[in-house]
Amino acid sequence: GAVVSQHPSWVICKSGTSVKIECRSLDFQATTMFWYRQFPKQSLMLMATSNEGSKATYEQGVEKDKFLINHASLTLSTLTVTSAHPEDSSFYICSAADRQKYFGPGTRLTVT
Amino acid sequence: GESVGLHLPTLSVQEGDNSIINCAYSNSASDYFIWYKQESGKGPQFIIDIRSNMDKRQGQRVTVLLNKTVKHLSLQIAATQPGDSAVYFCAENILGTYKYIFGTGTRLKVLA
Repeated sequence: GAVVSQHPSWVICKSGTSVKIECRSLDFQATTMFWYRQFPKQSLMLMATSNEGSKATYEQGVEKDKFLINHASLTLSTLTVTSAHPEDSSFYICSAADRQKYFGPGTRLTVT
Repeated sequence: GESVGLHLPTLSVQEGDNSIINCAYSNSASDYFIWYKQESGKGPQFIIDIRSNMDKRQGQRVTVLLNKTVKHLSLQIAATQPGDSAVYFCAENILGTYKYIFGTGTRLKVLA
């Protein structure tokens, strides 16, 4: 099946700093990618839909100025958590759709 | 909006027994359903899917049943193995759209 990668797999940062997470579709082109957040023992919550060459569509309650999404190419989308706070600590998962949706391995963000 | 679980129900089964994981979906307009397996610290992994024009679909050791009347989906795993231990999520989708709504998830524990 198709492969979606994320980098880094885990990151620890200090409160107030920004962190960038990359999502790549390795063997297919994805015009649309998705970013999810998952808190411990909870389900996946869609944060935003990332469209190549245009602005991302954010879900209700997700701050677009805090979670910056850039879909620069058909194989790369980035999520930047700006001015991170401890409550932003979570597991961030991206996905990309080919004939079906494939999920990346996730990025564990810990803000201290 | 997205379905977010506040707690994770757990199903414990003896190795070799059959497992049945249930899911109630929310949107009567959904016509595509998917089961995902998520191991600790990893992204969701596709298991099996079903379209609304079917009520049963079988894969290798897994069967998905769909009851549209009561908006219920189940995943049956035959001869459950220790490697099946994970959290299982159902997701619903309207074909032609990219938005998936995830269920709350069920943790499957396989007892040796």
